[in-house]
Amino acid sequence: QSALTQPASVSGSPGQSITISCTGTTSDVGGNNYVSWYQQHPGKAPKLMIYDVSNRPSGVSDRFSGSKSANTASLTISGLQTEDEADYYCSSYRTSSISWVFGGGTKLTVL
Amino acid sequence: QVQLVQSGIEVKKPGASVKVSCKASGYTFTDYGITWVRQAPGQGLECMGWINPHNGNTKYAEKFQGRVTMTTDTSTSTAYMELRSLRSDDTAVYYCARERAGWFDPWGQGTLVTVSS
Repeated sequence: QSALTQPASVSGSPGQSITISCTGTTSDVGGNNYVSWYQQHPGKAPKLMIYDVSNRPSGVSDRFSGSKSANTASLTISGLQTEDEADYYCSSYRTSSISWVFGGGTKLTVL
Repeated sequence: QVQLVQSGIEVKKPGASVKVSCKASGYTFTDYGITWVRQAPGQGLECMGWINPHNGNTKYAEKFQGRVTMTTDTSTSTAYMELRSLRSDDTAVYYCARERAGWFDPWGQGTLVTVSS
């Protein structure tokens, strides 16, 4: 059982928008702004897409955005493209254990 | 460019130990933490712990306490993760990642560790 809860899968058609949720507790997602999102293609290392809830690193498309409400963070991908098909993981700092935790991952299928 | 390059594939027997290396380049090694994350086949990401190369301070996930040791060699900008008493469920890809203020970027290419008799 993962520390943070994500849907196992989401899907969308090219051009559409999708949102992936990441639910934690007041000890992690709800208690700080150290929420980040990672994209992982099969056989590849994860890649940072969003940090500090809603910031995009240089080089990441502005089609990717992040937000947070209470204990749930969200990753939205707009204008879906076939290359967005990948696994997505959220991460948060957990103050109670002084460590980082991940969600179980969400498989995005672009139909 | 900032890069982390990890050591190669390892095959170990149950009960053995493994030591994975992670060589950093393109930045000042002591300015950022290093986190180790593993991914079992077909599974999600699991944080094993973190080390501060500046002072050697470590924080290990409770699950790995007593079985893992993370170290750094600042002279070669290399981080190491040693896992002992290996079991079959330790079979996974092990990643190092540069940590900055709670996020991880970039990641190493990963090291596959297979534990099998």
